[in-house]
Amino acid sequence: GAVVSQHPSRVICKSGTSVKIECRSLDFQATTMFWYRQFPKQSLMLMATSNEGSKATYEQGVEKDKFLINHASLTLSTLTVTSAHPEDSSFYICSARGSVVHNEQFFGPGTRLTVL
Amino acid sequence: AQSVAQPEDQVNVAEGNPLTVKCTYSVSGNPYLFWYVQYPNRGLQFLLKYITGDNLVKGSYGFEAEFNKSQTSFHLKKPSALVSDSALYFCAVRVPPSGGYNKLIFGAGTRLAVHP
Repeated sequence: GAVVSQHPSRVICKSGTSVKIECRSLDFQATTMFWYRQFPKQSLMLMATSNEGSKATYEQGVEKDKFLINHASLTLSTLTVTSAHPEDSSFYICSARGSVVHNEQFFGPGTRLTVL
Repeated sequence: AQSVAQPEDQVNVAEGNPLTVKCTYSVSGNPYLFWYVQYPNRGLQFLLKYITGDNLVKGSYGFEAEFNKSQTSFHLKKPSALVSDSALYFCAVRVPPSGGYNKLIFGAGTRLAVHP
């Protein structure tokens, strides 16, 4: 139980385009979802936190107009990188947290974004 | 400020030997501490956590960690290392809710290399 999936696992896009990454909790309802960014050989940096049906709370320094987060249902959150640039290339990881039984964070497998 | 420190970038161990990956923390109040493992191009997998109770916590794949309040440490240990344990290990602490959300703060990560 407590499986989180991400799609796509890897995406390559041209500079200036937008990319959407999906995060799904497969066997539990996620009241809260988190989006992290990880640079090579570095730790995870929290980008934003969202509750289903609410606006995301962004960490300091993260542009909310650049990284659009939608948490439309209890099993799906999406991160859209708008007008992507090469510096946005990174490994993006989501995690999901339910309530009561699944109160801890379960992580997705990550999405490798490369912007050319 | 809440923080987690992993003082070693890399730990090298011979297969069959015991291993220790170090973690110290700085938080206000009682800490919730976690260890995660990450394999290349994958998301994080949960190993174990300390919330309260026994200072020695047992987790997945034969790993354990010892909570030491006086030294503010939560070192990860395993009695006998396997080559397949080679991966990136992250220590994390859950910080009190800000805006209603519990957040995880991660250490920089320690790369464990187990040699045959």
